[in-house]
Amino acid sequence: QQQVKQSPQSLIVQKGGISIINCAYENTAFDYFPWYQQFPGKGPALLIAIRPDVSEKKEGRFTISFNKSAKQFSLHIMDSQPGDSATYFCAASTDYQLIWGAGTKLIIKP
Amino acid sequence: SQTIHQWPATLVQPVGSPLSLECTVEGTSNPNLYWYRQAAGRGLQLLFYSVGIGQISSEVPQNLSASRPQDRQFILSSKKLLLSDSGFYLCAWSPGPLHNSPLHFGNGTRLTVT
Repeated sequence: QQQVKQSPQSLIVQKGGISIINCAYENTAFDYFPWYQQFPGKGPALLIAIRPDVSEKKEGRFTISFNKSAKQFSLHIMDSQPGDSATYFCAASTDYQLIWGAGTKLIIKP
Repeated sequence: SQTIHQWPATLVQPVGSPLSLECTVEGTSNPNLYWYRQAAGRGLQLLFYSVGIGQISSEVPQNLSASRPQDRQFILSSKKLLLSDSGFYLCAWSPGPLHNSPLHFGNGTRLTVT
C-alpha cells in the first residue's frame, strides 16, 4: 500500500508538445502529492504539488491533474521546451513519510 | 533565505575506509533533516531522518549511521565502506512535516567506493 507507481520510465517529446507523466497510489491516507524535477548532478527541486481536495493545479506550463477515486495523478507539461529535459519524480506524503515514484527521464527534442 | 550546503561534491574512497559526509542548513531553525541515497538512474531511498538534535530515525538497516550534533548540522558516517555504498547521497531539509511543507535538497555527494 505504500508504493507510488510512476510511468513511463522514459519519455521523448518534440519541442512544443505536451509531456504527460502518470502516477498511481494505493494508500488513501496520503494527503499531499508533490512533483520534483531533477537535473543531472543536482538534487531534486519541488516543481508543483497538490492536495486531494483539488482536482487540478496549474503553475505556468505545468499542471497536475488529480483523480481521487482512481487514486491517480499526473503531470502535464505544456509547450515542452529543451530546458524541461530532466528526471521527474512524483511522490505522496503523510506526516514524515514521503513515498517516491521511480522517476521519469524526460527528453525534449528540439 | 534558507540554503543547504552539502560537501564534498565528489568522493572516491577505497573499500573498508571510513566515511563522513556533512550537511548544514542556514536561515532556519529546527529543520527536519534527511539523508537520501540515489543509485544511478534510480529513485530516491530514504536512509535517515531527524526531527531534532540527537533524534535520528533509520529507515534502512546498513553499515551507515547518522548524527545531528547541532540543530542545523546532519552528518552521514560509515566505519567501513562497502562497494554497494557507492551512489549519489543527498541531504535535504523541510520546515515541518512532509504533508505540509516541501523538501529542499542539497546538490549531493557523488560517492564512488573502489
